Amino acid sequence: NAGVTQTPKFHILKIGQSMTLQCTQDMNHNYMYWYRQDPGMGLKLIYYSVGAGITDKGEVPNGYNVSRSTTEDFPLRLELAAPSQTSVYFCASSNRNSGANVLTFGAGSRLTVL
Amino acid sequence: AQSVTQPDIHITVSEGASLELRCNYSYGATPYLFWYVQSPGQGLQLLLKYFSGDTLVQGIKGFEAEFKRSQSSFNLRKPSVHWSDAAEYFCAVLGGSARQLTFGSGTQLTVLP
Repeated sequence: NAGVTQTPKFHILKIGQSMTLQCTQDMNHNYMYWYRQDPGMGLKLIYYSVGAGITDKGEVPNGYNVSRSTTEDFPLRLELAAPSQTSVYFCASSNRNSGANVLTFGAGSRLTVL
Repeated sequence: AQSVTQPDIHITVSEGASLELRCNYSYGATPYLFWYVQSPGQGLQLLLKYFSGDTLVQGIKGFEAEFKRSQSSFNLRKPSVHWSDAAEYFCAVLGGSARQLTFGSGTQLTVLP
């Protein structure tokens, strides 16, 4: 059981470039989330999805896009990378049907924009 | 909207000493509360959670936390700290339209030999 898998683990991007952070889970969870972590700021919610075909903005969505075509996958896209998007990104999933749901986190993707 | 405050950015303790990390939350209903730990370069590991019932919850690695509704607090404790406990600790509350976690800004723990 792999849980939540994120790729890549590390990436360096130039200003203005685009890229996609991949996230997949094999637990059949309906809820999925993208967070970013910056020093001294904790984790902030970027986007979330409550099921395939349904996504919504979190606290810090600007500069990002997501899609949820399948239950398993929830990619995060950066269209025009900016230095402010240098961060560590965490994907998480949970099963809403379990009541007080516990989020399972991926190992993170460290992105640097130069 | 829910929020979490961790007043201590950085705490230093000696190995073998006791530890208490503070967490205060703001949430309109009965909160679901969590403590996560993050070692350098690693992801988040769940230490413990509070959903209901006994206000003193036990977690992994010898940690415990006490929910105090009157103080809106969920402080994390450990009677005797080990050098391997050095890490960053995050308190979080579950809520919102997507049942998402809202995190505090974290407390960095340094353990002196």
